[in-house]
Amino acid sequence: GAVVSQHPSWVICKSGTSVKIECRSLDFQATTMFWYRQFPKQSLMLMATSNEGSKATYEQGVEKDKFLINHASLTLSTLTVTSAHPEDSSFYICSARTGIGNQPQHFGDGTRLSIL
Amino acid sequence: RKEVEQDPGPFNVPEGATVAFNCTYSNSASQSFFWYRQDCRKEPKLLMSVYSSGNEDGRFTAQLNRASQYISLLIRDSKLSDSATYLCVVTLNTGGFKTIFGAGTRLFVKA
Repeated sequence: GAVVSQHPSWVICKSGTSVKIECRSLDFQATTMFWYRQFPKQSLMLMATSNEGSKATYEQGVEKDKFLINHASLTLSTLTVTSAHPEDSSFYICSARTGIGNQPQHFGDGTRLSIL
Repeated sequence: RKEVEQDPGPFNVPEGATVAFNCTYSNSASQSFFWYRQDCRKEPKLLMSVYSSGNEDGRFTAQLNRASQYISLLIRDSKLSDSATYLCVVTLNTGGFKTIFGAGTRLFVKA
């Protein structure tokens, strides 16, 4: 149980392109979803937290107009990296949690984004 | 002081060794505790939850000491496949739930 699917796994695109990443909870309803990014050999960095049907809460230093998050249903959240540039290249990982906040998060497979 | 601190790594151990990871947390309001493992270039995966009574899953044993604000993970009879980064994770409620990930400890198990 508690499977989270993230798509696509890899994206390589030109600078200036907008990239959309999907995160789906396959066998449970995710009341809260999280988006992280991780650079090589570094820790996970939380970008934003989203609850179904409400606006995402962004961490300090994360531009909400750059990283658009939509959590339209209890099983789907999307992250759109708008007008991506090489410095946005990173490993983006979503996670989902059901029920109350002290439950564990379950992670998607991650999306490796490379901007040329 | 970091909210969740882990042993600095990496740990290099031979196959069959027993290895222990330690983690401390600073906020006494912390409510739930987990160990995750993350393989290179992969997502974190939940290894086990941690309870005050201690819990065991095969070769893995997790312990929580709330008085000392200390969490541990013991791996017995290490396998090559145990090589990964182990993340200590704490959830606390300070008017809203917040999950904090430790920086992780890298483990290399060698033949």
